[in-house]
Amino acid sequence: GDSVTQMEGPVTLSEEAFLTINCTYTATGYPSLFWYVQYPGEGLQLLLKATKADDKGSNKGFEATYRKETTSFHLEKGSVQVSDSAVYFCALSFTGGGNKLTFGTGTQLKVEL
Amino acid sequence: NAGVTQTPKFQVLKTGQSMTLQCAQDMNHEYMSWYRQDPGMGLRLIHYSVGAGITDQGEVPNGYNVSRSTTEDFPLRLLSAAPSQTSVYFCASRGLAGDDEQYFGPGTRLTVT
Repeated sequence: GDSVTQMEGPVTLSEEAFLTINCTYTATGYPSLFWYVQYPGEGLQLLLKATKADDKGSNKGFEATYRKETTSFHLEKGSVQVSDSAVYFCALSFTGGGNKLTFGTGTQLKVEL
Repeated sequence: NAGVTQTPKFQVLKTGQSMTLQCAQDMNHEYMSWYRQDPGMGLRLIHYSVGAGITDQGEVPNGYNVSRSTTEDFPLRLLSAAPSQTSVYFCASRGLAGDDEQYFGPGTRLTVT
């Protein structure tokens, strides 16, 4: 079945450091890909998405590129802030077939001053 | 536009008790789902629905029942609570296109003693 694999956390960075969170997927066909973010004590919210190969999703300084050849959707940000501390989830979805989102296990990011 | 609402925010049950977690959305979304979130395991799908009168099992359905009598509401019932059901529960809704954003409620933190 479909699956998403994310790098283990927690990831601890200093403010203004470069961030990469790796995400790879296994799926039959070409899904839509998403990054969701969960701030402490809250539900998940969409951060960015990409719907086809070579698309780049971006939002709030974060970006990720849909790489079909490596089945990857790595999340990057050039300069993290303390306010970016959260748990980040990579996910995939297909239209039809119940339209379910398949999530990775999440990566906790801690940004320190 | 309230989005996805969940009640209660916190609940403590004794083993064997039953209860219903409420979920409602006002975005006219066809697709609704329930997840549980446990440390180190990410989000796991319990049940989902693609429209009123239609429900299906997710990854971890045992011990939970759902119904979907209206588009807006998707309650989750615990028939006989067990300590293994201690978790944070999230309800979510989205449209049926593969790249539609999924909207999450704020969560219910359930403890079973």
